[in-house]
Amino acid sequence: GAVVSQHPSRVICKSGTSVKIECRSLDFQATTMFWYRQFPKKSLMLMATSNEGSKATYEQGVEKDKFLINHASLTLSTLTVTSAHPEDSSFYICSASARLSYNEQFFGPGTRLTVL
Amino acid sequence: AQSVTQPDIHITVSEGASLELRCNYSYGATPYLFWYVQSPGQGLQLLLKYFSGDTLVQGIKGFEAEFKRSQSSFNLRKPSVHWSDAAEYFCAVGGTGTASKLTFGTGTRLQVTL
Repeated sequence: GAVVSQHPSRVICKSGTSVKIECRSLDFQATTMFWYRQFPKKSLMLMATSNEGSKATYEQGVEKDKFLINHASLTLSTLTVTSAHPEDSSFYICSASARLSYNEQFFGPGTRLTVL
Repeated sequence: AQSVTQPDIHITVSEGASLELRCNYSYGATPYLFWYVQSPGQGLQLLLKYFSGDTLVQGIKGFEAEFKRSQSSFNLRKPSVHWSDAAEYFCAVGGTGTASKLTFGTGTRLQVTL
């Protein structure tokens, strides 16, 4: 149980285009979803926290207009990187938690974004 | 503010040897503590977690960790390492709120020599 999927697993796009990454909880209802960014050989940096039906809460230094997060249902959250640039290239990982899971976060497999 | 320190960036052990990965945390209340493992290009897999109760917790793949409140530590151990354990290991601390954030350490890369 507690499986989280991400799609796509890998995406390459041209500079200036927008990319959408989906995060789904497959067998539970995720009251909260988190989006992380991981640079090569670095730790995970929390970008934002989203609760279903509410606006996402962004961490300091994360541009909310560039990284659009939508949590429209209890099983789906999306991260859209708008007007992507090469510096946005990174590994993006989502996680989800449920109210009864003692705040344990279940992680997706990650999405590798490369902006040319 | 919560923080996690993993003082060892890189550790190399021989297959069959014992392993201990260090983790120190800073948190203002009762912490929830986690150890995750990440293989290259993959997401995070939970090894074990501590919420309350017995301070020695058992996890998957033969790993265990001990919560020591007096030392603010949550070190990960394994009595005999296998070559497949080579990966990046992250310690994390979180709180008790429903949308509690996790703060991760910088990770320890484990290399296993045959």
